[in-house]
Amino acid sequence: QKEVEQNSGPLSVPEGAIASLNCTYSDRVSQSFFWYRQYSGKSPELIMSIYSNGDKEDGRFTAQLNKASQYVSLLIRDSQPSDSATYLCAVKPNTDKLIFGTGTRLQVFP
Amino acid sequence: NAGVMQNPRHLVRRRGQEARLRCSPMKGHSHVYWYRQLPEEGLKFMVYLQKENIIDESGMPKERFSAEFPKEGPSILRIQQVVRGDSAAYFCASSVTGGAIGNTEAFFGQGTRLTVV
Repeated sequence: QKEVEQNSGPLSVPEGAIASLNCTYSDRVSQSFFWYRQYSGKSPELIMSIYSNGDKEDGRFTAQLNKASQYVSLLIRDSQPSDSATYLCAVKPNTDKLIFGTGTRLQVFP
Repeated sequence: NAGVMQNPRHLVRRRGQEARLRCSPMKGHSHVYWYRQLPEEGLKFMVYLQKENIIDESGMPKERFSAEFPKEGPSILRIQQVVRGDSAAYFCASSVTGGAIGNTEAFFGQGTRLTVV
């Protein structure tokens, strides 16, 4: 079992819709969770961090964490073509290294 | 406050040469991570360092690869006797702390694209 799993996609949504990106992790002691966005040929950019169960909202982005289910998700409301990118889920077990999933490619079409 | 600085941005090496990749963390950050990314693939963890200490190098190949983060100066990822399979993008990230929660957000540099010919 991979430490951090994501569906590779592509996930295609129309402009204005809600995009839902999902991630599961294997290490129960994980405490910190992050979502990064990576455009093709560019470096990953941090867009959300979440540390406790529940929802965390920042603009059009909402991160959701369920530690009991070992599940973290990212919702993007009012999706725009500029949101088209690969979204990387990252998990930090305790004081250890930051582990990334392989990413989900999101395509927002006009 | 400058972000994470990596240099060079592009590096071309012939097979058998050495590649040196540099990473200066954000001001106030003492934790550095190195990742490798092949085209159309995810980020593969290589090594996690604090100043003067290697915390976790479980992702580093056993031979030819080494990393350091001296008390003064940037973190260095060194690849000796490069082979074509080393061609990839190498990203560095830094964070304030390495703790479980709080201030653990890691920010990435622009990466070094290594091409071995």
